[in-house]
Amino acid sequence: EVQLVESGGGLVQPGGSLRLSCAASGFTFSSYWMSWVRQAPGKGLEWVANIKEDGNEIYYVDSVKGRFTISRDNAKNSLYLQMNSLRAEDTAVYYCATGWAAFLNWGQGTLVTVSS
Amino acid sequence: DIVMTQSPDSLAVSLGERATINCKSSQSVLYSSNNKNYLAWYQQKPGQPPKLLIHWASTRESGVPDRFSGSGSGTDFTLTITSPQAEDVAVYYCHQYYNTPRTFGQGTKVEIK
Repeated sequence: EVQLVESGGGLVQPGGSLRLSCAASGFTFSSYWMSWVRQAPGKGLEWVANIKEDGNEIYYVDSVKGRFTISRDNAKNSLYLQMNSLRAEDTAVYYCATGWAAFLNWGQGTLVTVSS
Repeated sequence: DIVMTQSPDSLAVSLGERATINCKSSQSVLYSSNNKNYLAWYQQKPGQPPKLLIHWASTRESGVPDRFSGSGSGTDFTLTITSPQAEDVAVYYCHQYYNTPRTFGQGTKVEIK
């Protein structure tokens, strides 16, 4: 059974940093593109970033470029999102999801709250 | 960026009445080399992550009830729920994966009257 478990969310002050993790199991992690998708409270879905199977292609939505870094460790079956210079508008549930095309598998998400 | 616009924003249907959700993209998501529409539909229930229902505009994901169907091509797409059930109360999103950044529609909330 495919499992994606996010962790690392919490309350952080504006300008602060957080590192999110996504632990994957039940599938060959190293064979899949992976994405982060976020959802602000009561709002819709926003794709944040994705990373190729080998980590050699990475893309970001403009609003996080230069502040967020997606990475992966295939030996640990893990995906990461380093978030720096956080802003109030980054407050959201962050999901990791599998796939380059449609997102078949999703984790339960981890909540990031940016507030003073 | 490709803008995805869904209509309506919300929809109340009676049990057994057909529900139709529209999604329009600001540019075509049909890739001519393979004749595939790079368009997916998701269902999200409260407190849960999204669930993939349809990909390639009309291919139902394994295990998804056949009352859910997707249609359309190019820039105009439709998700149809024939004879909605109580468990279909949710928000539905379209999503284009034709290019980056990936983008989603704003969502359509489906309720049962």
